[in-house]
Amino acid sequence: QLQLQESGPGLVKPSGTLSLVCTVSGDSISSNNYYWGWIRRPPGKGLEWIGNLYYGGSTYYNPSLKSRVTIFVDTSKNQFSLNLTSVTAADTALYYCARAGGHGSSSEEFDFWGQGTLVTVSS
Amino acid sequence: DIQMTQSPSTLSASVGDRVTITCRASQSVNNWLAWYQQKPGKAPKLLIYKASSLESGVPSRFSGSGSGTEFTLTISSLQPDDFATYYCQQYDDYPLTFGPGTKVDTK
Repeated sequence: QLQLQESGPGLVKPSGTLSLVCTVSGDSISSNNYYWGWIRRPPGKGLEWIGNLYYGGSTYYNPSLKSRVTIFVDTSKNQFSLNLTSVTAADTALYYCARAGGHGSSSEEFDFWGQGTLVTVSS
Repeated sequence: DIQMTQSPSTLSASVGDRVTITCRASQSVNNWLAWYQQKPGKAPKLLIYKASSLESGVPSRFSGSGSGTEFTLTISSLQPDDFATYYCQQYDDYPLTFGPGTKVDTK
């Protein structure tokens, strides 16, 4: 059974960089046709897509965050990571990693999710 | 960006009720529409993909319909485990976008 687990600091200072890692178990992150993504949910708000990494290395980012976001993979550790720079209080959220593409390469619905990790931006 | 709206924002219902939630897109998303269930402290759970396909392991009381810009999630007979918040998501175009959610609570 595929499992995803987020890890990283729960507190980041304003103007700093938010860095999270998603560890994948139960399948290879290099498996064909999957997307590996990050989604967040600010307190009291809905879900916001941050970006996806396709198995071949292509990345797709939300334009609202694009200038600050990087998603990259470490195949040797079966992990993918999120970096978000120049954070403000507006970046405080529950951050999820997830997999998409389980129903075909055109299907970017997220069928497996991590439990989520709360990141607070505060001095 | 494709904007997603949901109605109602909150729905009060009883066990055994038939429940319908509507999701509308600001432009056609073809059938690239998913539905999720989220409970407090838990990750979203995929229920429906491609507008009407039931995810493996999801009870058959859940169904999805619609195409283009208007979609519906139906719970045929609400069960105690179904009180949760439901989100739609389009994946026809980037950026992927979610609806604001519909909370199903106890009447």
